[in-house]
Amino acid sequence: DTGVSQDPRHKITKRGQNVTFRCDPISEHNRLYWYRQTLGQGPEFLTYFQNEAQLEKSRLLSDRFSAERPKGSFSTLEIQRTEQGDSAMYLCASSKRTGSYNEQFFGPGTRLTVL
Amino acid sequence: GENVEQHPSTLSVQEGDSAVIKCTYSDSASNYFPWYKQELGKRPQLIIDIRSNVGEKKDQRIAVTLNKTAKHFSLHITETQPEDSAVYFCAARGDDKIIFGKGTRLHILP
Repeated sequence: DTGVSQDPRHKITKRGQNVTFRCDPISEHNRLYWYRQTLGQGPEFLTYFQNEAQLEKSRLLSDRFSAERPKGSFSTLEIQRTEQGDSAMYLCASSKRTGSYNEQFFGPGTRLTVL
Repeated sequence: GENVEQHPSTLSVQEGDSAVIKCTYSDSASNYFPWYKQELGKRPQLIIDIRSNVGEKKDQRIAVTLNKTAKHFSLHITETQPEDSAVYFCAARGDDKIIFGKGTRLHILP
């Protein structure tokens, strides 16, 4: 499968626990994005990377959220001290930076449920 | 900050009729406007996009129009079919991130 992959697909955790998600982009894509999607809403931008550099973080992203892309390939998103409001689908997308208009390809998402 | 408004939130059309979804955006620097289709439990998939130097683009039964002056863009689906039932998201890109609308749930009635 040469598409964007995410792991795990589902995560159930108790409030206060830490969770980490992984995203593997399409291999030649140097841009990687994280979004959060709640029921009935569009994907909400969280952060993005160009290669290993994190270029922007949403103002909505609290200090409990951190993302890394250490080698410019896969990325991880960690949520510390999870809250029930963190329950959502976390989507990763990747694109190739070759010009001004680059399609983003989405992964299947990780569905997080915080009890 | 950047904002994308999408209307309607729900749309029901008879099979064979046309469907129109409208969006407005706030960031005048936006230069790329993709539309995504998301079926239940699936990831968003790009169905068509339009760039700021173009006013209209068509791909078979799907067309998009863009009015940069008014900051409006629209999706038109003609001759709707049952498989068109899904949630559709408009989006606008300025700088390097994409801002999505809240989605339109399209129901195709038999």
